[in-house]
Amino acid sequence: GQQLNQSPQSMFIQEGEDVSMNCTSSSIFNTWLWYKQDPGEGPVLLIALYKAGELTSNGRLTAQFGITRKDSFLNISASIPSDVGIYFCAGRSGNQFYFGTGTSLTVIP
Amino acid sequence: EAQVTQNPRYLITVTGKKLTVTCSQNMNHEYMSWYRQDPGLGLRQIYYSMNVEVTDKGDVPEGYKVSRKEKRNFPLILESPSPNQTSLYFCASSKISGIITDTQYFGPGTRLTVL
Repeated sequence: GQQLNQSPQSMFIQEGEDVSMNCTSSSIFNTWLWYKQDPGEGPVLLIALYKAGELTSNGRLTAQFGITRKDSFLNISASIPSDVGIYFCAGRSGNQFYFGTGTSLTVIP
Repeated sequence: EAQVTQNPRYLITVTGKKLTVTCSQNMNHEYMSWYRQDPGLGLRQIYYSMNVEVTDKGDVPEGYKVSRKEKRNFPLILESPSPNQTSLYFCASSKISGIITDTQYFGPGTRLTVL
């Protein structure tokens, strides 16, 4: 299957700091997606990106679809305690979805 | 309330004993999918369905079966479970319009342990 490399694996940051994580793939995707998963729950979609080069914001979150269509990044500005969780990137190829291995974010008040 | 439900939420079973995990959505979504989540591996797609009676293999279909006889239901069947199928399983659904709508709604998960 297609591999998505997501980094970093984990992050420990102070409340108020900005966060950046990224995802790279060996294959091209039609769509890049970013999800957040809270403990004991299923992933929830944060941002969807549909075109190469697209930059999209959702509140304090900003994500970009890489020009090569093989990468994407997610930025979180001014982190708050409720940002804690695991963030996953995902790529769509045809009707299939491939997920990254996740970035675990801890926000220290 | 729009939701995806899965049952059971937790299941402990033994090797070889057939089991079914049910998934149901109330949003009239065409696309439904099953994923397994394992530590360090993220979510991997097992099977997906574009509509009733249309199912396709995902990335890791071995050892699993699915069926889509009704639009709202998409059960995951393990005919002969093995310990390497111990995992956290998620069902998801999304609407299709033109191309796939990527807002997949995920269920709460089913934690399966195969002894």
